[in-house]
Amino acid sequence: QVQLQESGPGLVKPSQTLSLTCTVSDGSFTRGTYYWSWIRQPAGKGLEWIGHISSSGSTNYHPSLKSRVIISADASKNQFSLKLSSVTAADTAVYYCAREYMSEMLRLNYFDPWGQGTLVTVSS
Amino acid sequence: SSELTQDPAVSVALGQTVRVTCQGDSLRRYYASWYQQKPGQAPLLVIYGKNSRPSGIADRFSGSSSGDTASLTITEAQAEDEADYYCNSWDSSGYRLFGGGTKLTVL
Repeated sequence: QVQLQESGPGLVKPSQTLSLTCTVSDGSFTRGTYYWSWIRQPAGKGLEWIGHISSSGSTNYHPSLKSRVIISADASKNQFSLKLSSVTAADTAVYYCAREYMSEMLRLNYFDPWGQGTLVTVSS
Repeated sequence: SSELTQDPAVSVALGQTVRVTCQGDSLRRYYASWYQQKPGQAPLLVIYGKNSRPSGIADRFSGSSSGDTASLTITEAQAEDEADYYCNSWDSSGYRLFGGGTKLTVL
């Protein structure tokens, strides 16, 4: 059963860049059927999709974050990463990585599994 | 519009049936997936596609769709079903959407 694990600093200063890595436990990272996603959740609030990278390397980002986000991947390490620049207190949240399956033909998508999440606080 | 709308809170008596709904234009074209989230835990997929359950999800969870509304139904709700529930889909630009979440209370 594939597992995902987030890692990275739990505290980032305002205006700096938040950097997180997600390690995927099995070889599904290189299979073409999945998207590798970042999702965040501020305390007491709902889920917000940040963006994803496909197994082929194409990316897509939430329109409100597009100017500050880069998602990249290192297939040799079974890892994908998130960089969010110019952070403010509004970026304080639990950040999750998740594997997404999506099929236009079947008209469905789903995120499974998810990492346990990592809290990132933006504060000086 | 590229949004998914959920009722903020719903309650159900123990053992009764409850429906959690999700409304949005994208649901006319695409199925919703549904996630259960308990405090301090990551979301857990409970329903995807037309009405599919991942392995290990109780069969009291089911999904349906009509027009621009997707529904998650919990039959004979149990105390352990008390959680936040989120729907998800995507829009024509490929952006993934989440509903605002529904807090389910089991009385």
